[in-house]
Amino acid sequence: AQKVTQAQTEISVVEKEDVTLDCVYETRDTTYYLFWYKQPPSGELVFLIRRNSFDEQNEISGRYSWNFQKSTSSFNFTITASQVVDSAVYFCALSATSYGKLTFGQGTILTVHP
Amino acid sequence: GAVVSQHPSWVICKSGTSVKIECRSLDFQATTMFWYRQFPKQSLMLMATSNEGSKATYEQGVEKDKFLINHASLTLSTLTVTSAHPEDSSFYICSASPGSGGEQYFGPGTRLTVT
Repeated sequence: AQKVTQAQTEISVVEKEDVTLDCVYETRDTTYYLFWYKQPPSGELVFLIRRNSFDEQNEISGRYSWNFQKSTSSFNFTITASQVVDSAVYFCALSATSYGKLTFGQGTILTVHP
Repeated sequence: GAVVSQHPSWVICKSGTSVKIECRSLDFQATTMFWYRQFPKQSLMLMATSNEGSKATYEQGVEKDKFLINHASLTLSTLTVTSAHPEDSSFYICSASPGSGGEQYFGPGTRLTVT
């Protein structure tokens, strides 16, 4: 069975601070995909990144970066110089394929104060 | 980019009535669609997987006679909540995938309130 754990339920930071959201996963599959989604108050999920299990390279996209470590089964997400618009719920998710059903973590509520 | 729509975006219904939610892939053919449910301040939980032309596969604990899923075409899946009760009030989100080699795209969600 697959499992995703986001230990941080809520994080509160002040604008311009860096913040890291943790994600730990469990799976017996040798091939799998990891995702991060953002869910603003509107409720619509916003896709942030997809990473397959064979690609351990870290990824950077603007102020966002992701650190994937298979050795610790972690896929952490860092926002550099946070902004108020980053306030949302962030979900880490796991799937056996790029297009299959997702197992979501519990989500982390990020609040960025001005 | 791939777009998935849901209709309605929100609905209020009385206890005991049925409500239908539509999920459409607007610019691609979705061989597989997924239905998720999200209670307030909680995570998304998969309810069922539907493949076009086949019966849906329900996750453990999801009542298939209560949550009827139909995936009659490659662009439309429907979720019907039958005899709705207040505890069915939730945010229902669908996603669609063109299948192998593709990705999964989410709809904007439908907020159901049962009074």
